[in-house]
Amino acid sequence: QLQLQESGPGLVKPSETLSLTCTVSGGSISSSSYYWGWIRQAPGKGLEWIGSIYYSGSTYYNPSLKSRVTISVDTSKNQFSLKLTSVTAADTAVYYCATQGLSSSSTWRGGGWYPLPDGYFDYWGQGTLVTVSS
Amino acid sequence: QSVLTQPPSASGTPGQRVTMSCSGSSSNIGSNFVCWYQQLPGTAPKLLIYRNNQRPSGVPDRFSGSKSGTSASLAISGLRSEDEADYYCAAWDDSLSGVVFGGGTKLTVL
Repeated sequence: QLQLQESGPGLVKPSETLSLTCTVSGGSISSSSYYWGWIRQAPGKGLEWIGSIYYSGSTYYNPSLKSRVTISVDTSKNQFSLKLTSVTAADTAVYYCATQGLSSSSTWRGGGWYPLPDGYFDYWGQGTLVTVSS
Repeated sequence: QSVLTQPPSASGTPGQRVTMSCSGSSSNIGSNFVCWYQQLPGTAPKLLIYRNNQRPSGVPDRFSGSKSGTSASLAISGLRSEDEADYYCAAWDDSLSGVVFGGGTKLTVL
């Protein structure tokens, strides 16, 4: 049974970089069976997809956040990470990491064929609240 | 403003069958699978339905999903008090190359 756990600072100052890590247990980050994703939820609001990464390093980002987001994988630690730069109070949210299913369709990327992500996230971390405040 | 449109609220009495809708467009629901999540207060979302109508292991068959064109629905039969939660729909969007969510429907069990 896959388990995911988010970790990182709970308080970040405006204009600084938010950095979170998701540690995976019960499975390998190098698995070709999933994408690894980040989703956030501002207080009292709905869910917002941030981005996803495949074990190969292929990434998809929310266009509204793309200029500020980087998601990476560390296979040696069985972790994947989120960096969000130039944060403001609007980035205050509970941040979740999750596994994402694979589509039956594939795309040519970075010199290889890779499955597209599907729209569903099946295993979720418990979430971590990040507050942006001075 | 969410890409997928859900009614903000729904309600029902114990034992009743309730449905909630999710409306999208040709680039998301119209061409990709839909999924549904249940979120209880203070907890992470839980996947209820994926690929339009598939239930993950452990999800009761009281929950069912369907899709027609650019809209989808979640039905809950035999409503229970513990079903009171927020429900979100989501899908992959080909135009955005990303996942889009609905704004969520708050279900109240009267």
